[in-house]
Formats: sequence, structure tokens, C-alpha cells
Amino acid sequence: QSALTQPASVSGSPGQSITISCTGTSSDVGGYNYVSWYQQHPGKAPKLMIYEVSNRPSGVSNRFSGSKSGNTASLTISGLQAEDEADYYCNSYTTSSTRVFGGGTKLTVL
Amino acid sequence: QVQLQESGPGLVKPSQTLSLTCTVSGVSIGSTGYFWSWIRQHPGKGLEWIGYIHYSGSTYYNPSLKSRVTISVDTSKNQFSLKLSSVTAADTAVYYCAREVPSPYYFDYWGQGTLVTVSS
Repeated sequence: QSALTQPASVSGSPGQSITISCTGTSSDVGGYNYVSWYQQHPGKAPKLMIYEVSNRPSGVSNRFSGSKSGNTASLTISGLQAEDEADYYCNSYTTSSTRVFGGGTKLTVL
Repeated sequence: QVQLQESGPGLVKPSQTLSLTCTVSGVSIGSTGYFWSWIRQHPGKGLEWIGYIHYSGSTYYNPSLKSRVTISVDTSKNQFSLKLSSVTAADTAVYYCAREVPSPYYFDYWGQGTLVTVSS
């Protein structure tokens, strides 16, 4: 099972919006609405930000949103803040009943 | 408040078996239908799903690790454990335990992670 494809890095200025893509196949991202997104600050455990493509857990800012088109899921962060600087990972359920993560994207807030 | 805490040796010799335990508080492993999972992160790298166990004892593993992995559960202690055999330096990583919500399959609670180094 190959890792989902994410850009290695993205950047944006405070107040701007950025989008992180997560590309898989019809056997994972494209086959199910079971895509989740995680934020990880250095030295910390990942934190759930989005589940089931576009749902936000309680307590997560509404500046975070998710979507999916075909085999590509996306995480959009609007109104960038310094605290958003972190690594972001997508995850998907697969037809083999396994779970696969993306390679991770480092977000830099300029 | 659900909390997970990993514990175990931070140093394992090559060819030996890595053993970690995750202690869960705030929810009973034996009374809920969650998947209790292990995930690892190689230094400076991304996340890798290792596998999970359900309180019933059913397990599912990453095919790339399946021959070396065993995940078990002790509902009386509210713990679940990971054993990874025949380790090499490539198994050096931060190991996280996490709770997964079945269908739609997401990890909502994570432990803080524990670094395991494989070295002689």
C-alpha cells in the first residue's frame, strides 16, 4: 500500500488561505468518504482536525475545512494564523481494510 | 476525558522483540466498539499505520509488518500492547497508540508517543 501523495511544503501569509492536497487512488481516497486530516506540531502527537472528508471535531476552528473530488482530498485553512504552522497528514481507509497516511505537508506561515 | 499513555523500553537490541503497552483511561476498552491502534513515525518522517485490536480480540495489521507484529488486549487492566519481532534499525521510531472510531475510521485520541531506538 503506497502512501498518499501530499506536497512536501506549502506556505502562506497571516490572514491568507492555503490548500493542501492528498492524492490517492480509487482503492482509498476515491473509494470512500473516510478521509481524515491531522495536525502535528514539533514533538507533539498528531491532532484530529477533519474526519469523514469534511467534518470538524468539536473544538476545531471553523477556519479548517475539507473536501474531496475523485481521488484527491483537500484541506483548506483560511485566515492563516501563526499557530497553524505545523505538519499536516491525511489518512484514508482502503479496500484492503488497512489505513494509509499521506507523506505529510509542512505548513509555513510567513 | 479519554487519555492514552505508551510505556516500554526506549532501547531495543537488533533481532530482539520490541514490546510496548498503552494504558487507557477515561473509557473502558472492554465496553466499547473502538479500534485500539498503533501508529509509528520514523525520525523526521511521516506516519505509518501498524494495526489495531478490537476488545473482542480481533486484529488487523499492516501487510508490510504483519509477519512481525502482534497486538493484544488486556481488558482487566484497560491496556493493549504491541510486540514487534526481529527488529532492525529501520524500526527506530516514535510509537503512538491511538483510538480509532470505526466507520468512518478516524483516530480521535492519541498517546504522547514514545521513542524506541533499535541499537546494539
